Amino acid sequence: AQSVTQPDIHITVSEGASLELRCNYSYGATPYLFWYVQSPGQGLQLLLKYFSGDTLVQGIKGFEAEFKRSQSSFNLRKPSVHWSDAAEYFCAVAPSFSGGYNKLIFGAGTRLAVHP
Amino acid sequence: GAVVSQHPSWVICKSGTSVKIECRSLDFQATTMFWYRQFPKQSLMLMATSNEGSKATYEQGVEKDKFLINHASLTLSTLTVTSAHPEDSSFYICSARPTEAFFGQGTRLTVV
Repeated sequence: AQSVTQPDIHITVSEGASLELRCNYSYGATPYLFWYVQSPGQGLQLLLKYFSGDTLVQGIKGFEAEFKRSQSSFNLRKPSVHWSDAAEYFCAVAPSFSGGYNKLIFGAGTRLAVHP
Repeated sequence: GAVVSQHPSWVICKSGTSVKIECRSLDFQATTMFWYRQFPKQSLMLMATSNEGSKATYEQGVEKDKFLINHASLTLSTLTVTSAHPEDSSFYICSARPTEAFFGQGTRLTVV
């Protein structure tokens, strides 16, 4: 069965510091990969996605993620964190097949706190 | 990007009553929509896949008679929580996809 693991439940960084949120997936083939951000009481906003091609993906708000097939990972990074980045971050996968993807499977989420 | 609107944003209802939540795709047609449930400080769990013009597909363990889904048009799917109980209190989120999943803002349901 497909699964997504986000090893870090909670991370705290200082404003201006770099950030890396980990995500590992379990799936037989290369799935579609996503990172979402959720502010308290809000829906989810797509940060970036990987379908194929260049394994380094650029997203919104200065985020990027790198797909590493050998490690089954899709870690999210940001070189300099802003206080407004404090939120919950979810990694998600969807099985890939022609015509698009089906349902998303989410990781447990990583809550990011940012110290001033 | 595409816009998915969910209504209401929050609702409080009495135990035993039914609540309807709407999910609309505002600028695209959505043949498929997804309903998720999120408990406090937990991840999203897919409840069901809503298909326009046909029956919804429910995930294992989700009571289809309790969580009624109707996808009568290409822009609207509704989730009705029937005979709601306090344990149904949760955050419900829908998504729809033209090419990727766009999420509604969610509905906070509190059953008292």
